Amino acid sequence: GENVEQHPSTLSVQEGDSAVIKCTYSDSASNYFPWYKQELGKRPQLIIDIRSNVGEKKDQRIAVTLNKTAKHFSLHITETQPEDSAVYFCAASKSDGNKLVFGAGTILRVKS
Amino acid sequence: DADVTQTPRNRITKTGKRIMLECSQTKGHDRMYWYRQDPGLGLRLIYYSFDVKDINKGEISDGYSVSRQAQAKFSLSLESAIPNQTALYFCATSDLGQSTDTQYFGPGTRLTVL
Repeated sequence: GENVEQHPSTLSVQEGDSAVIKCTYSDSASNYFPWYKQELGKRPQLIIDIRSNVGEKKDQRIAVTLNKTAKHFSLHITETQPEDSAVYFCAASKSDGNKLVFGAGTILRVKS
Repeated sequence: DADVTQTPRNRITKTGKRIMLECSQTKGHDRMYWYRQDPGLGLRLIYYSFDVKDINKGEISDGYSVSRQAQAKFSLSLESAIPNQTALYFCATSDLGQSTDTQYFGPGTRLTVL
């Protein structure tokens, strides 16, 4: 089955700097890659996703890139702010079942 | 997202007890899921259902069972709770008919098994 590895497990950045979180997946048939943000004590919420027919997607300060050949995808957050502090999860799935396999999560701390 | 609710929000129980966690949604979604979250392990799928008559095991279904009583309700049961089932449990929903695969999570149930 699919296996998703996520790095780093924790990331501290200074406010205004960029943050990058990387995930690798094992199943070449996976074609949907979402990113979820979970603030402390809250539920995970989708922040951005990408499908395998696209190499990059942006939404304001957030972007996701996908390298199908290498089977990895990354989340990029620019101009980080304290409210970006949270746990971020990547996931992968095949469109036939919508079963998401999640990475272990990255704790992002933005220091002001 | 207030459209997906879970009860109870917190539960402390003892080893061997039967526990039921309930999930309800008003989003009209067909698909419902149960995950557990453990520190350092992310979210792991326990069971999922694509409609009322459909139940499927996820990656960690042992020790759990589910019931899809209606489109809007999906319950998770622990027949005989054990301490390593202590975790944060999330229900989620998604819509079969939409072009997006977004899953919408409930607020979570924190379960402690003593």
